[in-house]
Amino acid sequence: GAGVSQSPSNKVTEKGKDVELRCDPISGHTALYWYRQSLGQGLEFLIYFQGNSAPDKSGLPSDRFSAERTGGSVSTLTIQRTQQEDSAVYLCASSLAGQITEAFFGQGTRLTVV
Amino acid sequence: GEDVEQSLFLSVREGDSSVINCTYTDSSSTYLYWYKQEPGAGLQLLTYIFSNMDMKQDQRLTVLLNKKDKHLSLRIADTQTGDSAIYFCAVGDNAGNMLTFGGGTRLMVKP
Repeated sequence: GAGVSQSPSNKVTEKGKDVELRCDPISGHTALYWYRQSLGQGLEFLIYFQGNSAPDKSGLPSDRFSAERTGGSVSTLTIQRTQQEDSAVYLCASSLAGQITEAFFGQGTRLTVV
Repeated sequence: GEDVEQSLFLSVREGDSSVINCTYTDSSSTYLYWYKQEPGAGLQLLTYIFSNMDMKQDQRLTVLLNKKDKHLSLRIADTQTGDSAIYFCAVGDNAGNMLTFGGGTRLMVKP
């Protein structure tokens, strides 16, 4: 596609439920990043995928968070047993060969846990 | 780890210059970026500078880097109402894998 696409754009879920957030990167981009933006805060790195290498999961805040990237393209970020503090905008970005200078961001998924 | 700080808010009049400042802590940061976020939109990369540069100019945008003081600034000349947005400073490591973002500066441009 023309840009990074994320879905859904908005998600309201009940505390304790699981949610899945989807990211479609720009075609041909081998690197994919997930960030989280909490209200009034900067962006917090979550996870990074580069090609077929093992992902860098160093930013995931707890074991309730996981992400996968199938076929080197679409990525899904899963949050299990959601908590209110998980409420944030989840941003996905993709780039060529891990060069962050080329990264393009999606519009994000606004997650609200009630 | 890296810490990136920005002031929260800046208000200017249309036609004036805007200067948004950013400080960081990790002197080994190699890439330094400015992103713009408009309401309801994703982050847009505005410009970036490598740590071996001290200035970069791109049309109305000028980035200044003071490595000694670990200070980065973004100057917007002839600021327009369309420049109203949140501006994020970000620094990256040599591998470029992970960016550390500041909290963002909300720029308000008054007509």
